[in-house]
Amino acid sequence: GENVEQHPSTLSVQEGDSAVIKCTYSDSASNYFPWYKQELGKRPQLIIDIRSNVGEKKDQRIAVTLNKTAKHFSLHITETQPEDSAVYFCAASHILSYGKLTFGQGTILTVHP
Amino acid sequence: DAGITQSPRYKITETGRQVTLMCHQTWSHSYMFWYRQDLGHGLRLIYYSAAADITDKGEVPDGYVVSRSKTENFPLTLESATRSQTSVYFCASSESSSAFYNEQFFGPGTRLTVL
Repeated sequence: GENVEQHPSTLSVQEGDSAVIKCTYSDSASNYFPWYKQELGKRPQLIIDIRSNVGEKKDQRIAVTLNKTAKHFSLHITETQPEDSAVYFCAASHILSYGKLTFGQGTILTVHP
Repeated sequence: DAGITQSPRYKITETGRQVTLMCHQTWSHSYMFWYRQDLGHGLRLIYYSAAADITDKGEVPDGYVVSRSKTENFPLTLESATRSQTSVYFCASSESSSAFYNEQFFGPGTRLTVL
């Protein structure tokens, strides 16, 4: 089955800096890669996703890049703010998996004011 | 987000007892999922369901049972709870398994402690 590795496990940045979280996946058939943000004590919520037919997607301060050849994808957050502090999860899925997501282990992002 | 709910939100039980966690969604989503969240492991899929009366195992199904007699409900039962099942359990749903619409919406979670 699919295996998703996520790094780093913790990331600490100063407000205004950029943050990058990286994930690798094992199943070359995977074609959908969402990122979820989970604030303390809350449910995971989708913040951005990318399909395999594009290499990059942006939404204001966040962006995701995908390298299918290398089987890795990354989340980029620019101009970080304290409210970006949360746990971020990457995930992978493919069309034959009935919507099942395989998640990475998570990254605890702390943005210091 | 108010469309998917879980109950109870918190549960303490003892080893060997049967526990049922409830999940209800109002969107008529076809797909529903149960995950457990443990530190260092992220979210791991326990069971999923493609429609009423269609369920299948995920990554960590041992010790759990599911049913889905109605589209909107997807209960998860721990037949004989063990301490290793202490975790936060999330239910999720999605409209379709299409590769072009796979967003999963999560419920608020149930924190289960097995003593």
